[in-house]
Amino acid sequence: GDSVTQMEGPVTLSEEAFLTINCTYTATGYPSLFWYVQYPGEGLQLLLKATKADDKGSNKGFEATYRKETTSFHLEKGSVQVSDSAVYFCALPPMNSGYSTLTFGKGTMLLVSP
Amino acid sequence: DTAVSQTPKYLVTQMGNDKSIKCEQNLGHDTMYWYKQDSKKFLKIMFSYNNKELIINETVPNRFSPKSPDKAHLNLHINSLELGDSAVYFCASRGVQETQYFGPGTRLLVL
Repeated sequence: GDSVTQMEGPVTLSEEAFLTINCTYTATGYPSLFWYVQYPGEGLQLLLKATKADDKGSNKGFEATYRKETTSFHLEKGSVQVSDSAVYFCALPPMNSGYSTLTFGKGTMLLVSP
Repeated sequence: DTAVSQTPKYLVTQMGNDKSIKCEQNLGHDTMYWYKQDSKKFLKIMFSYNNKELIINETVPNRFSPKSPDKAHLNLHINSLELGDSAVYFCASRGVQETQYFGPGTRLLVL
């Protein structure tokens, strides 16, 4: 079945450091791919998405490129801020839409210190 | 203009009690979900409703009973609460291109 694997956290960085959070997936076909972010005490919110191979999703300085050759969708940011401290989830939808839910990775916690 | 709202935000209760969590979305979506998030932040789908009909019912104890009075509301009732039910419960709805919109969560602590 479909699955998503994310790097384990926590990832601890200093402010202005470069961030990469790895995400690889297993799926039939070429689904859309998502990154969600969960700030402390809040619900998940969509950070960015890519709907087809080679697409780059971007938002709030974060980027992720849909790479079908490596079945990956790594999240990157050039210069993190303390306010980026959160849990990040990679996700993919079911291949046949239906009413199935997204498959989420286990989440990667990011801690950014001043 | 909150998109997905949940009440209450915090719920502290004793073992054996019965409690309900309410969820409402004003996005006009047909599909809604309940998720459970454990202390390690792992998200587990519990239920999915489409236009008031139960679609997904994962392996969840039958002490948990969802109810959808209309497509904008999906409530979760939990009977005979146990310590292991302590978690954060999220409601979500599904929009276009599979994007999901989450509520702020209900933090349940069973003592």
